[in-house]
Amino acid sequence: DVVLTQSPLSLPVTLGQAASISCRSSQSLVHSNGNTYLHWFHQRPGQSPRRLIYQVSKRGSGVPDRFSGSGSGTDFTLKISRVEAEDVGVYYCNQGTHWPTFGGGTKVEIK
Amino acid sequence: EVLLVESGGGLVQPGGSLRLSCAASGFTFSNYWMTWVRQAPGKGLEWVTNIKEDGSDRSYIDSVKGRFTISRDNAKNSVYLQMNSLRVEDTAVYYCTTDVGYQDYADWGQGTLVTVSS
Repeated sequence: DVVLTQSPLSLPVTLGQAASISCRSSQSLVHSNGNTYLHWFHQRPGQSPRRLIYQVSKRGSGVPDRFSGSGSGTDFTLKISRVEAEDVGVYYCNQGTHWPTFGGGTKVEIK
Repeated sequence: EVLLVESGGGLVQPGGSLRLSCAASGFTFSNYWMTWVRQAPGKGLEWVTNIKEDGSDRSYIDSVKGRFTISRDNAKNSVYLQMNSLRVEDTAVYYCTTDVGYQDYADWGQGTLVTVSS
């Protein structure tokens, strides 16, 4: 199975500052059709996960433009340009190119 | 507005059974794969099973094969998860999700808690 490794595990951030989360895959996530199926989710404390980014860099409906995704092949990044209080929680990447797997999660908290 | 409402969770003894339901509304249910994702207490997300739009294709994570069965009723806009021979390690919140393609879970329910304990 494809292993997705997220880093850091924990990310203390200052309100208004930028934050970056890495997701590295044990195999290339480029599908035979040329697309890359790497997605990002955010789970606030006590809530269900919510999709943020799909196919590496496409923002989901209603997702603020301070969230952006980038990367290719095996290395991917989620960036928050200016962290707001509502951005706390755990962020997960997942992939659908191969048998589905999730990353272990990155916990974002305010300093 | 897309709405997914899970039900059927609860406390069950090891070896017991539960049937989870997920009622969908706000979209054309029969056009989408549906997926169950679970989250053990304090842990991360784990894909469990999914089912094709017409129910003709289903997949399962190895740890539940032969014990769990996913099904759907497009006339009732519902997806189900029959869980038999439950184990302590199946304890988790179970989320119903839409899959708009290649594990892109665009919408999530509120989850239903399954606790397997004696």
